[in-house]
Amino acid sequence: EAGVVQSPRYKIIEKKQPVAFWCNPISGHNTLYWYLQNLGQGPELLIRYENEEAVDDSQLPKDRFSAERLKGVDSTLKIQPAELGDSAVYLCASSFIGGSGELFFGEGSRLTVL
Amino acid sequence: AQRVTQPEKLLSVFKGAPVELKCNYSYSGSPELFWYVQYSRQRLQLLLRHISRESIKGFTADLNKGETSFHLKKPFAQEEDSAMYYCALSSPSGYSTLTFGKGTMLLVSP
Repeated sequence: EAGVVQSPRYKIIEKKQPVAFWCNPISGHNTLYWYLQNLGQGPELLIRYENEEAVDDSQLPKDRFSAERLKGVDSTLKIQPAELGDSAVYLCASSFIGGSGELFFGEGSRLTVL
Repeated sequence: AQRVTQPEKLLSVFKGAPVELKCNYSYSGSPELFWYVQYSRQRLQLLLRHISRESIKGFTADLNKGETSFHLKKPFAQEEDSAMYYCALSSPSGYSTLTFGKGTMLLVSP
């Protein structure tokens, strides 16, 4: 079992450019999360999916961020246009709906905006 | 609103010393509490959860509802315990999102 897979691991872009991150959750996990982790901070939720439905996207900056989870499996998080303050690690996690509460995290995608 | 506070950014101890990583929470009701750990160059992973009342790698944590605390303890620290530790909470339904604290870096010196 590979666990939660994220790509790319690292991305460097110039401000105002678009960027996309991809996540493949653990097989059978119906809940998928995107978290943002700034340097020296804990993970903060951006969006949570249950199957294909975004059930909590209250913290997602919708003017520049978008996400989708087609077919309830893989997910993509997009930023367009990126700003300097978006430099952070973007974490994907998955779990079972109504499960024990344990989240399984990917290795993260580190974004640097110049 | 639910909130998790970890007052220490860094805790430095010598091998064999006792360790206590502090965690306080704010939540109206009875939350579920967790400790997650991130070792160097590894992904964030669950260390323990309060409902299972288990000891993992010698670590224990007791939920104190009166003090709204969930401190992580280990009687004798090991060098391999050096890592970033995050306290987190969720509602007991299992259908809500984990809210994390800012984390505490534990450094265990030889």
